Amino acid sequence: EAGVAQSPRYKIIEKRQSVAFWCNPISGHATLYWYQQILGQGPKLLIQFQNNGVVDDSQLPKDRFSAERLKGVDSTLKIQPAKLEDSAVYLCASCRSSYNSPLHFGNGTRLTVT
Amino acid sequence: QQPVQSPQAVILREGEDAVINCSSSKALYSVHWYRQKHGEAPVFLMILLKGGEQKGHEKISASFNEKKQQSSLYLTASQLSYSGTYFCGTEGLAGYSTLTFGKGTMLLVSP
Repeated sequence: EAGVAQSPRYKIIEKRQSVAFWCNPISGHATLYWYQQILGQGPKLLIQFQNNGVVDDSQLPKDRFSAERLKGVDSTLKIQPAKLEDSAVYLCASCRSSYNSPLHFGNGTRLTVT
Repeated sequence: QQPVQSPQAVILREGEDAVINCSSSKALYSVHWYRQKHGEAPVFLMILLKGGEQKGHEKISASFNEKKQQSSLYLTASQLSYSGTYFCGTEGLAGYSTLTFGKGTMLLVSP
């Protein structure tokens, strides 16, 4: 089966600019996650979708980050405006259901904010 | 709450064994283990459910002690390909499942 697709792979922007990341999960996977991974740390959950509904966005900085999942398939994560501390790898993951299912990760988008 | 992993880093020679621990302050439904190589995405290794089961994947196995809210990953006869950072992810007993990852344990296997 095709894996989780993410784009772009790399993005460099200046602070206060906006940026968007795209994710296409594995076909049939109802649950989609966006994680932020800062260098040397574990992935930190930003938002979790079950189909096209939000399950958990408690750690999403809602003043600057937004995410949507259209028709329960593709998802976009947006940052506006970006700050220096947003520099990280943004990982998208999907799984079949919310319990007992292994997460399949995309290759991530490495964001550098200058 | 984020699970705590120990040790932070391990250096081994090929063929040696290692144990990586993961502990949580909250009751757990399951524990996931993933390995991430430099510049790549995390890759799933195994899931352990409450009930204390032990699972294996080649020469990598793991246990889950739900009473102590701890899991351990055992790597036996390590190979060069085992090098990477290992993350545990924990699922709590909430009405929905959210996977929270630890900070990771870096494993380096040398020839």
